[in-house]
Amino acid sequence: ELKVEQNPLFLSMQEGKNYTIYCNYSTTSDRLYWYRQDPGKSLESLFVLLSNGAVKQEGRLMASLDTKARLSTLHITAAVHDLSATYFCAVDHQRFNTDKLIFGTGTRLQVFP
Amino acid sequence: DAGVIQSPRHEVTEMGQEVTLRCKPISGHNSLFWYRQTMMRGLELLIYFNNNVPIDDSGMPEDRFSAKMPNASFSTLKIQPSEPRDSAVYFCASSLARGRPGELFFGEGSRLTVL
Repeated sequence: ELKVEQNPLFLSMQEGKNYTIYCNYSTTSDRLYWYRQDPGKSLESLFVLLSNGAVKQEGRLMASLDTKARLSTLHITAAVHDLSATYFCAVDHQRFNTDKLIFGTGTRLQVFP
Repeated sequence: DAGVIQSPRHEVTEMGQEVTLRCKPISGHNSLFWYRQTMMRGLELLIYFNNNVPIDDSGMPEDRFSAKMPNASFSTLKIQPSEPRDSAVYFCASSLARGRPGELFFGEGSRLTVL
């Protein structure tokens, strides 16, 4: 059974600082997605990573995928308050010829002045 | 463009009552997913459809839960009878899948409270 783990679960960081969120998964997959969820809101797609070595950047966020290590990272550069949210990674899991997205535990990020 | 539309947004009901949640996927999308989100268990995939056909329902908790997709533009998730432990936010998502799920687009969710 595929397990998707994120760490840290909670992250409180000061504006202007850098930090990385890690997403580890337990079985082979070559597709990974990052989503953002604001409190009480829906999930919004941030990045789609479709191959080993893929790197995507949007503003202060950069995501990468290492399929050999079964690891994806979401790097935050010079954090601002607007980035406060919960971030989820999701792994495309193929089993018995069907695919489904399994979500990680989520990382709740709080950015303070 | 209209996104994924879910109804109701909020539902409060008493234990034992039937609950029906509704979802309209994005037009042209061929896959539809139902997820449940709770603090304790996070986001759990309940069931997903491809071209209106249920592909994987292994996440459906028990026989009290059922889901249908009678056509490409409508799906329901039914709980009968409901129990307090079913209280959660239920999300519907759709994607344009070409052999694999693809990028999911989520609705605003239906927050269910069972008393």
